Order: sequence, then structure tokens, then C-alpha cells
Amino acid sequence: DGGITQSPKYLFRKEGQNVTLSCEQNLNHDAMYWYRQDPGQGLRLIYYSHIVNDFQKGDIAEGYSVSREKKESFPLTVTSAQKNPTAFYLCASLTTGMSDTEAFFGQGTRLTVV
Amino acid sequence: DAKTTQPPSMDCAEGRAANLPCNHSTISGNEYVYWYRQIHSQGPQYIIHGLKNNETNEMASLIITEDRKSSTLILPHATLRDTAVYYCIVRAGRTNAGKSTFGDGTTLTVKP
Repeated sequence: DGGITQSPKYLFRKEGQNVTLSCEQNLNHDAMYWYRQDPGQGLRLIYYSHIVNDFQKGDIAEGYSVSREKKESFPLTVTSAQKNPTAFYLCASLTTGMSDTEAFFGQGTRLTVV
Repeated sequence: DAKTTQPPSMDCAEGRAANLPCNHSTISGNEYVYWYRQIHSQGPQYIIHGLKNNETNEMASLIITEDRKSSTLILPHATLRDTAVYYCIVRAGRTNAGKSTFGDGTTLTVKP
């Protein structure tokens, strides 16, 4: 079955450590997105990418980095510069080049920094 | 992407229609209205989208005003499983997938 997979579902890290969240899709989608969600709040855009080897900052990119070396993969690194990294992280993908299209979301990674 | 405004919360009785409003007064001519919902601690799920005509699928109906400045998502017979946060976003189609900015959404609580 086609879909978008985030791993792991839960992640614990010590303060000051970098951590990388995985996002893989086999939907042949061009665009991929990373969102952050804090308790009781909506989704805030961290980074997005429309094609391989290109990505753009979203609204809250500081303290995060991404890469897009393959169409299927869009890993997010939460660096030690991110002051409050504990959150629920969601990855999404969608295809482009069509008149309209919906985004597919992964099931999220809950990151806790202690 | 145009900004949207939704009420923070709504209640609905089980079996009744749930009507969720969304304002998008700055929507551009090429922007679609999309609705998603998120059940606690899961990824958002696509519900429906439209450009200017009303749309219906197996999950819901979408009513877009003639001036396209607002829309309403209708769940015709709400069940307890429809309790979720509902997000309305506007986004251009085709190659301009845009930033796909989400707001805080509407928390719908369906009560028995």
C-alpha cells in the first residue's frame, strides 16, 4: 500500500543532542512538508520541499534543518539550537502538476527532550 | 497562502448535522479551499476540497459562498467518532503547492 511513514513514533533525547526524524513516502509525491504541533495548538510549518535538492523555510525554521536528496525521503534534524524541541512532529506530502490535490500526512513523531 | 479564520470550538448532538464555518476573505482566484480533520495524536486526514462549486463526498459536503470569502463544512449525521479538530486551509493548486499553512482549527465535540 502507498503511504507516508514517519519513524519512530516516540523519541526521547537528552537536551543538547541533535536528533533526526525520518519521513518516507512511496506515493511518488513531489512536495513534502514538516510541521510542528504543540499541545492544544494547530500545525506550524517548519520546512517544505517541492523538488529534490531544494527546500524552503517555513514559519518556524530556526533550530531545524532538512535535506531532500531523494524524492521519497525528507528527514528533519532538530538541532541543539532549537530552544524548545519537545513537540509532536508531522510530515506530509502531496503531488504537484495537477489542478488540485490533497496532502497526505504521516502518523507523527512525538519528541520529548529531557 | 490566504489566511483562514475558524471558531475555536463547537458542539453537536449525535445524529444531527454539524456545520463548521470558515472565513477566507483574502482568498485568491486560483486558491482552493481544503478541509482536514485531526483525531487526537494522529496525522490530519483529508476530508474534502473545492474551488467555487459546492462539493459532496462520502464524508461531508462543502458549501462555498458565491464570493468565495467563506465556506461551511457539513457533516450530515455526526457520530461520536467525528469528534476531532477540523482545519480549513486555502491553497493554490497546480505547481504552486504553496506553504499549506494551517491555523488552530475548530475543535468539534459530538455529544450523545
